[in-house]
Amino acid sequence: NAGVTQTPKFQVLKTGQSMTLQCAQDMNHEYMSWYRQDPGMGLRLIHYSVGAGITDQGEVPNGYNVSRSTTEDFPLRLLSAAPSQTSVYFCASSYASLAFFGQGTRLTVV
Amino acid sequence: AQSVTQLDSHVSVSEGTPVLLRCNYSSSYSPSLFWYVQHPNKGLQLLLKYTSAATLVKGINGFEAEFKKSETSFHLTKPSAHMSDAAEYFCVVSDSNTGKLIFGQGTTLQVKP
Repeated sequence: NAGVTQTPKFQVLKTGQSMTLQCAQDMNHEYMSWYRQDPGMGLRLIHYSVGAGITDQGEVPNGYNVSRSTTEDFPLRLLSAAPSQTSVYFCASSYASLAFFGQGTRLTVV
Repeated sequence: AQSVTQLDSHVSVSEGTPVLLRCNYSSSYSPSLFWYVQHPNKGLQLLLKYTSAATLVKGINGFEAEFKKSETSFHLTKPSAHMSDAAEYFCVVSDSNTGKLIFGQGTTLQVKP
């Protein structure tokens, strides 16, 4: 039972490049979400999903896309990376309001 | 709308002394509240949760929190700080309709020898 697995752990992108952050969970949770963590701002919700085929925007969705084709996977896509997207990204999977977090992806956009 | 305010961005204590990390919440209905801890360069670990059962909640590593509806507070305490408690702590409220988690800004706990 791996819980929530995020890949990669570290990534450096050039401005304008695109990439996908992967997130997978093996707990059969319906609810999954993506957050970004920036100093002094806590974690802010980017996008979330309440089940396969259903996604919605969070607090800071601009510049990011998501899809949820299966219960297990919830990838986050950066369409055209910008320096403002330099951050630590966390994926979470939840059941009954209890969230389990991945280990995070530290992304730097230069 | 629900929100969380952590009243201190940084708290410094000496090892062996009590810890108090303050959190106020705003919610239009009975909230689910959590404290998470994040050690440097690590993920988030659940310390404890409140879900409308006992108002005094005990968590891991000797931490506990008391839900006070009249004060809309959910402060985190520990009787005696240990060096390993140095970390960032987040107070979190859950939207029971959507499952969204709303994070406070975080409190960095420094423990001095």
